[in-house]
Amino acid sequence: GENVEQHPSTLSVQEGDSAVIKCTYSDSASNYFPWYKQELGKRPQLIIDIRSNVGEKKDQRIAVTLNKTAKHFSLHITETQPEDSAVYFCAAIGLTGGGNKLTFGTGTQLKVEL
Amino acid sequence: GAVVSQHPSRVICKSGTSVKIECRSLDFQATTMFWYRQFPKQSLMLMATSNEGSKATYEQGVEKDKFLINHASLTLSTLTVTSAHPEDSSFYICSARVGAGPDTEAFFGQGTRLTVV
Repeated sequence: GENVEQHPSTLSVQEGDSAVIKCTYSDSASNYFPWYKQELGKRPQLIIDIRSNVGEKKDQRIAVTLNKTAKHFSLHITETQPEDSAVYFCAAIGLTGGGNKLTFGTGTQLKVEL
Repeated sequence: GAVVSQHPSRVICKSGTSVKIECRSLDFQATTMFWYRQFPKQSLMLMATSNEGSKATYEQGVEKDKFLINHASLTLSTLTVTSAHPEDSSFYICSARVGAGPDTEAFFGQGTRLTVV
């Protein structure tokens, strides 16, 4: 099945700085890569996703890049704000073996400091 | 976006009792729903895939007789934790995707905080 690794596990940045979170995946057939923000005790919220037919996608301060050859994708948050503080998860849909299941990375605790 | 509603949001039960969690797709039909478990400061781990009208598919290491899943309609899946023990205390979240394709967005329920005392 799919295996997703995520780094770093914790990330502290100053307000206004950029934050980058990186993930790798194992299933070369995967073609959908969402990113989620989760606040304590709440459901994951989709913040951006990318499909394998594009290499980059941007939505205001958030961007995601995908390198299918290397099987890694990254989340970029620019001009960070305190409300960006949360746990972020990358995920990938594993297709090998007929799974069609969403596998999550281990998460990154982002702290934006004033 | 689509709405997935999960109930209850919190439940406390005694050891040895069973707890049922409901997951509903409010504005779309979901032939497949997914059940995750999340321990504190950990990631979401898929427990099982719930299929409407057929048996659920469980991930390796998940006891199907302990975590009973029923997907009796296109808008409702239930997870019953049987003979609950303190180690079953966790955050349980359901999910459904609109459409059958592998690249469709997943929508999550609010989650259920289960505490077994």
